[in-house]
Formats: sequence, C-alpha cells, structure tokens
Amino acid sequence: KNEVEQSPQNLTAQEGEFITINCSYSVGISALHWLQQHPGGGIVSLFMLSSGKKKHGRLIATINIQEKHSSLHITASHPRDSAVYICAVPRFGNEKLTFGTGTRLTIIP
Amino acid sequence: GAGVSQSPSNKVTEKGKDVELRCDPISGHTALYWYRQSLGQGLEFLIYFQGNSAPDKSGLPSDRFSAERTGGSVSTLTIQRTQQEDSAVYLCASSLTGGKQETQYFGPGTRLLVL
Repeated sequence: KNEVEQSPQNLTAQEGEFITINCSYSVGISALHWLQQHPGGGIVSLFMLSSGKKKHGRLIATINIQEKHSSLHITASHPRDSAVYICAVPRFGNEKLTFGTGTRLTIIP
Repeated sequence: GAGVSQSPSNKVTEKGKDVELRCDPISGHTALYWYRQSLGQGLEFLIYFQGNSAPDKSGLPSDRFSAERTGGSVSTLTIQRTQQEDSAVYLCASSLTGGKQETQYFGPGTRLLVL
C-alpha cells in the first residue's frame, strides 16, 4: 500500500463544475503539499497546509490530521485548470517529500 | 526574481555514458532537493542538501548516482554508466531553509533519455 494515495486517478469534467480531489496518507506528517503539474511538465506549489483550510482564488484545500485526509477543491472549473494534481507529504523528522501518484484533471469547454 | 533553473532542458545519451544535470536554486535558498519522475510513475525523492550539513542521499537508486552542491548554491547530479531505466525527468527544487512546512519551488526539469 502506498503511503500517499490519491483519488480519483483521472477526472474529466465540464467547464464550471465543482471539482474534488482526495488524498489519504498513512504516515505521521507535519504538513501536506498540493502541487500542480502542467501538461508541459512544470510543477507549481499550490498549497502547504498543516491544519484546517486554505483558499487561493478558486482553489480550496482542506486537511483533517486525525483522519489523515486532505481534499483539493476547484470551484467554477476552467479548461486552464487541466493538469495533474499531486499531493505530497514530508515525513516526520524528514523534509523530503513522498508523493501521491497524481490525479489527471481534464476540464472540457 | 528568477526561479529555480535547470540545464539542460533535454538530454539524449547512449547507454553507458555519464551525464551531468545542473540546478541553480533560488538565490538565498539553503535547501535543495533532487527528485525524479519516470514515465508513467510518480515523483520520487533522490537527494537533499541543507546548508553545510551532510546531504540526505537515502533516495539515490544506486551508486551510479551522485550529487554535489558547490558553495551552497549550484548543484550537479551525476549519473555514471547510464542505463535505459534512468530515463526520466529529473526535477530540482529549493526552499528557504528546508523546514518541513516550507514551500518547495520546482525547476522546469531535465528530460533525460537513455538510448
């Protein structure tokens, strides 16, 4: 079993739909990262959160440390949101990241 | 300001040859990470540098892989006697101090193809 699991692996939705991507982890962590990888391969850090909820524009990330679960939400989705979304966790005592396998999101106009 | 840069952006080499991949972190960032993303696979950690501390090499897949960071800035990842399974995108990231709750800033990656 992977230490970091994401679901779904692939998600296709119509423009404007509300998107939810889930991440579950099995190790103790101090924070969780959400990353976005564009079709060209570049990776951008979206959020780093250790509790509660963070919002940036149309993106919202939540985390429940007790349940070892985080979600990334996109409101009013747009084709430019099409990318691979990756969650990653630094393990306690270690700054290096362990990554989920990613969720490939495609937003259709 | 400039972000993390990597060179070359693409590298094609023959099996058995050595390659060097370069990473220039964001100025002032003391922590530097190398990751690898193989085709169809997720990202995996390779090596981590923080200041003058000994690097964390626990992710290096074999002794053919090595990395150094000169002057606390530029880093070079070297792969000796390349194999076809080394083909991947090699990503470098940096963060300010390497704290567990810091954002890591990623470079564009070097796409390595071993023929």
